[in-house]
Amino acid sequence: DTGVSQDPRHKITKRGQNVTFRCDPISEHNRLYWYRQTLGQGPEFLTYFQNEAQLEKSRLLSDRFSAERPKGSFSTLEIQRTEQGDSAMYLCASSQGASTGELFFGEGSRLTVL
Amino acid sequence: GEDVEQSLFLSVREGDSSVINCTYTDSSSTYLYWYKQEPGAGLQLLTYIFSNMDMKQDQRLTVLLNKKDKHLSLRIADTQTGDSAIYFCAERAGGGADGLTFGKGTHLIIQP
Repeated sequence: DTGVSQDPRHKITKRGQNVTFRCDPISEHNRLYWYRQTLGQGPEFLTYFQNEAQLEKSRLLSDRFSAERPKGSFSTLEIQRTEQGDSAMYLCASSQGASTGELFFGEGSRLTVL
Repeated sequence: GEDVEQSLFLSVREGDSSVINCTYTDSSSTYLYWYKQEPGAGLQLLTYIFSNMDMKQDQRLTVLLNKKDKHLSLRIADTQTGDSAIYFCAERAGGGADGLTFGKGTHLIIQP
């Protein structure tokens, strides 16, 4: 049984570059979430998908951020023209959409923007 | 709006009980959760409680919910060094919203 996997685990980039993160959810889970966590803070909700449909986006998700889940399985989160303030851990989570709503998290992708 | 508050640090002696507290503001919260995060790792779901329950026990973990005061606590009995981590309280609001709102986390420090 595999849990939620994220790739890459670490990414160092220069300001202005584009980066893309991938998330593979637990296979039978139809909901997929992206969160961002900065040092000393709890995870902050960015966006979520039910199957391939993006149903909710936080105001934290600026125009430079785009997320996709084209076939309702894996998802990508792209950040264009990265800024130093984008440095954070990007967490992906999935759920079955049960009423209990518990999320299962991956280990995260840590982004450092120089 | 939604807001979840936790103390930043809690220090306990090994073998004692730890009680981590959390307050939330959204009275329409349906479920409340406790997650554990070890250094460099993702979040691990420990337990959750439905808003119409007062208490839930799961082995060494006891969750107490005071809905009137919007107060949630997590008690860890017989705290061990492996319990050292950051513990996050999270709420799932009602009204169809689906994302969880997390507190900033409580660092549990275990003294030998």
